Amino acid sequence: DAKTTQPTSMDCAEGRAANLPCNHSTISGNEYVYWYRQIHSQGPQYIIHGLKNNETNEMASLIITEDRKSSTLILPHATLRDTAVYYCIVRPYSGGYNKLIFGAGTRLAVHP
Amino acid sequence: DTAVSQTPKYLVTQMGNDKSIKCEQNLGHDTMYWYKQDSKKFLKIMFSYNNKELIINETVPNRFSPKSPDKAHLNLHINSLELGDSAVYFCASSQARNTEAFFGQGTRLTVV
Repeated sequence: DAKTTQPTSMDCAEGRAANLPCNHSTISGNEYVYWYRQIHSQGPQYIIHGLKNNETNEMASLIITEDRKSSTLILPHATLRDTAVYYCIVRPYSGGYNKLIFGAGTRLAVHP
Repeated sequence: DTAVSQTPKYLVTQMGNDKSIKCEQNLGHDTMYWYKQDSKKFLKIMFSYNNKELIINETVPNRFSPKSPDKAHLNLHINSLELGDSAVYFCASSQARNTEAFFGQGTRLTVV
């Protein structure tokens, strides 16, 4: 079973920031938070990951609370092409062999 | 160039047949995976190979047999296909077991 809880769906206006929350209250000290997304009819795509510090890359920012029990993925300027299912996953950094356990994710709809 | 490529993209076959799905990655990664996405859209890992060695086998029926002729290829052979095998199968790869995974575009298998 997935160790994360996410809203089923969210809407966002094009050009605005999309903030996708994730609850992982049972996360262990050696577990990272990973975000992937799946655009319709495509394979999952890696977005970002982090341990306890906030992270940013060309795709998104990841904000992890100090207690690490929740996080938020931020797409700063959402476009129509960001419409996808977003998955928040926790997994240990060592071991696990990318045994990604996908939950139901959040279906993000970006509208004009 | 496609990083992780799967063939075929679509596969329709009758119950009881044997079929194979091929996967190739040109990223130089040493770890490859097979995931299954069922009709409810949940993604589940099936197998993982590291340097041609089976690492993960997630209680998949014996009818499913992965074959890794070399690090760049991980093929999936399915014997005696059943209706319940209908799903989208995704191949993925990563450099080492703990780095982000890159997924192929999927193979939609329909058993009739």
